[in-house]
Amino acid sequence: SQQGEEDPQALSIQEGENATMNCSYKTSINNLQWYRQNSGRGLVHLILIRSNEREKHSGRLRVTLDTSKKSSSLLITASRAADTASYFCAPWTNDYKLSFGAGTTVTVRA
Amino acid sequence: EAGVVQSPRYKIIEKKQPVAFWCNPISGHNTLYWYRQNLGQGPELLIRYENEEAVDDSQLPKDRFSAERLKGVDSTLKIQPAELGDSAVYLCASSLGDSHGTQYFGPGTRLTVL
Repeated sequence: SQQGEEDPQALSIQEGENATMNCSYKTSINNLQWYRQNSGRGLVHLILIRSNEREKHSGRLRVTLDTSKKSSSLLITASRAADTASYFCAPWTNDYKLSFGAGTTVTVRA
Repeated sequence: EAGVVQSPRYKIIEKKQPVAFWCNPISGHNTLYWYRQNLGQGPELLIRYENEEAVDDSQLPKDRFSAERLKGVDSTLKIQPAELGDSAVYLCASSLGDSHGTQYFGPGTRLTVL
């Protein structure tokens, strides 16, 4: 069963704007990871946030985690055309599984 | 360092035919995963190997799917016979097998069953 559920399903923004997407999950987690998938290609790991962390930064990425609400958010600042992709959250559960949602499709317009 | 290698990249077959996918993980990665990704969906785990042992194959449709990871390095996923509903992208991933679970994915094999 898929745990991570991303919202919104799709997002269209202008280059230079920020993009925010949310993720909800169902059970206890060890950590939560975000992956990116460009059209027709494999997934690339972006960032991992542990269950005892609340916020993490990596370059233009900012991830938050609220374990009490079982939710996470991914913020991409100053978006670029190359950020056009699908973004997946994947909770890492205690049974050593990544459970992907359907993803958020982000389109960055020039 | 080379990433996860998969072949073929694309495969088109008639239904009821057999098909096989091959994966070579990143060197030193003990854990190997096979996922299936349907159009518009996220990947779904089929099987996870720790070295040569399949430690989680609960989502693998065992009536037609099989997998092996001889010598704990590269792996093969087979479907026999293929059905129309098997059309999807089959992704292979590997990891160090540590407690963090960060996975490195190959480019996938896009299977079309006609």
